[in-house]
Amino acid sequence: SQQGEEDPQALSIQEGENATMNCSYKTSINNLQWYRQNSGRGLVHLILIRSNEREKHSGRLRVTLDTSKKSSSLLITASRAADTASYFCATVPIQGAQKLVFGQGTRLTINP
Amino acid sequence: EPEVTQTPSHQVTQMGQEVILRCVPISNHLYFYWYRQILGQKVEFLVSFYNNEISEKSEIFDDQFSVERPDGSNFTLKIRSTKLEDSAMYFCASSTETGTGELFFGEGSRLTVL
Repeated sequence: SQQGEEDPQALSIQEGENATMNCSYKTSINNLQWYRQNSGRGLVHLILIRSNEREKHSGRLRVTLDTSKKSSSLLITASRAADTASYFCATVPIQGAQKLVFGQGTRLTINP
Repeated sequence: EPEVTQTPSHQVTQMGQEVILRCVPISNHLYFYWYRQILGQKVEFLVSFYNNEISEKSEIFDDQFSVERPDGSNFTLKIRSTKLEDSAMYFCASSTETGTGELFFGEGSRLTVL
């Protein structure tokens, strides 16, 4: 599979529930980032976790990184209808550090 | 809050025509990028630009593509002779760091090639 693969591809939950999205990658990384994209809009940076970090928090977001498994997860707690969007993980490879390598994304729908 | 702006928001062109997509990055940023997203697919890196030259480009960025920073504010992507498969959303981004930090993206330019 490609670098930065998210699962699930689509997730639908009720407002107030927690949403967890996972990302796997193949090569060694400098850091991993999560971005959000509302339909038809640009990408918005959410959080960056460096390869020597294991967990990071920002508001209702919690990101973990397991470099031994080459995987990351994004947890959104107490979801809101406004969280409905696509979420992408993006890795910065150690080699070729001029670019982000995006995954396919998870389409998250929060039902009121 | 500073933002990356892109024009046009949507452009329709005939196959074989030249297209120029324009971007105004955040003013104190030093690194500039173009990405594209074909409908329903992942966001793909095209090119990065620093100090008035290309620092990295992908296999997609062939001789039909070029980038330019003609003045102190604009950053353009030119497609010389468009193909049907060039239809996509093109995103400009900028950052203060060399691709290892947060990227600030514009809202995108949707290109439709007929």
